[in-house]
Amino acid sequence: GDSVTQMEGPVTLSEEAFLTINCTYTATGYPSLFWYVQYPGEGLQLLLKATKADDKGSNKGFEATYRKETTSFHLEKGSVQVSDSAVYFCALMDTGRRALTFGSGTRLQVQP
Amino acid sequence: NAGVTQTPKFQVLKTGQSMTLQCAQDMNHEYMSWYRQDPGMGLRLIHYSVGAGITDQGEVPNGYNVSRSTTEDFPLRLLSAAPSQTSVYFCASSYVRTGGTYGYTFGSGTRLTVV
Repeated sequence: GDSVTQMEGPVTLSEEAFLTINCTYTATGYPSLFWYVQYPGEGLQLLLKATKADDKGSNKGFEATYRKETTSFHLEKGSVQVSDSAVYFCALMDTGRRALTFGSGTRLQVQP
Repeated sequence: NAGVTQTPKFQVLKTGQSMTLQCAQDMNHEYMSWYRQDPGMGLRLIHYSVGAGITDQGEVPNGYNVSRSTTEDFPLRLLSAAPSQTSVYFCASSYVRTGGTYGYTFGSGTRLTVV
């Protein structure tokens, strides 16, 4: 079945550092890919998405590119802020079920 | 505000009790699903529905039932609560647009403790 693998955390960075959170997936067909963010005590919010190969999703300074050849969707941000501290989930949606399959999440801690 | 509403926000159950977690959306979304979130395991799909009257099992369906009698509502029933069902439960709904774009909206979650 479908699966998503994320790098384990926590990832601890200083403010203004460069962020990469790796995400790879296994799926049949051509899934849509997503990054969700969960701030402490809250639900999940969609951060960005990409629906086909070579698409780049972007939002709030975060970017991720759908790489079909490497089955990856790595999340990047050029300069993180303390307010970016949260748990980040990579997810895919297959075209059949219309339900999301999530990675285990990566906790990001940004220190001032 | 439009969105996904889950009730209750917190619940404590005794082993063997049953209860229903409520989920309602007012966005006319076709797709709805239930997830549970456990530490270090991300979110796992319990049940999902692609429209009124249609439901199917996800990864971890045992001990849970769902029904979808209307587009708006997708309740999750715990038949006989067990400590292993202690978790945070999220309901989500999604639209589909031409070209295959999707937009999932999540509720704020129900934190369930089974003692």
